[in-house]
Amino acid sequence: EPEVTQTPSHQVTQMGQEVILRCVPISNHLYFYWYRQILGQKVEFLVSFYNNEISEKSEIFDDQFSVERPDGSNFTLKIRSTKLEDSAMYFCASSEALRETQYFGPGTRLLVL
Amino acid sequence: SQQGEEDPQALSIQEGENATMNCSYKTSINNLQWYRQNSGRGLVHLILIRSNEREKHSGRLRVTLDTSKKSSSLLITASRAADTASYFCATVDRAGYSTLTFGKGTMLLVSP
Repeated sequence: EPEVTQTPSHQVTQMGQEVILRCVPISNHLYFYWYRQILGQKVEFLVSFYNNEISEKSEIFDDQFSVERPDGSNFTLKIRSTKLEDSAMYFCASSEALRETQYFGPGTRLLVL
Repeated sequence: SQQGEEDPQALSIQEGENATMNCSYKTSINNLQWYRQNSGRGLVHLILIRSNEREKHSGRLRVTLDTSKKSSSLLITASRAADTASYFCATVDRAGYSTLTFGKGTMLLVSP
């Protein structure tokens, strides 16, 4: 069964460093998303992406964040200058169509020291 | 306001019993989705129910949706220890794009 994959599974970085989180969505899906979950809190939406453009973004997704689909398979989230409060589990998701089931990857646990 | 609030926050049952979790939300929705998360791991999609549907089944799962009360319930029948996980409801707003808004979840513990 096709699944969303994410790398790395864990990343530790120093405050102020740039990180890139990588995702490979399900191959025939057209809509891509990033969410995050701070430990013990709700899963929060960050951004959605369709047709090589950001479709929607939350207040969390400020200028420190960017997304890219550099080729036909990868979808990346970049945090330019990490802060302590960026420590969270970051989930990538994809869906075949708008407002349909979103399939999530296993997550990248980011720890900012 | 909080969208997608689950109730109870925690539920502890014995294997073989049924588990019922409830979710309330505040806006008009396009659909509601239930997910399972095992201890800090990925989110596994369980079921999607659309705003014009009232009930859906998938194996041992039964989901109901009452749009007049803005609530949904997830019933797991004949629970197993492997069902131990956190369960989240997430809504897609009718007027929204495709964003999922999650609740805080119900932590289910099924004891052998």
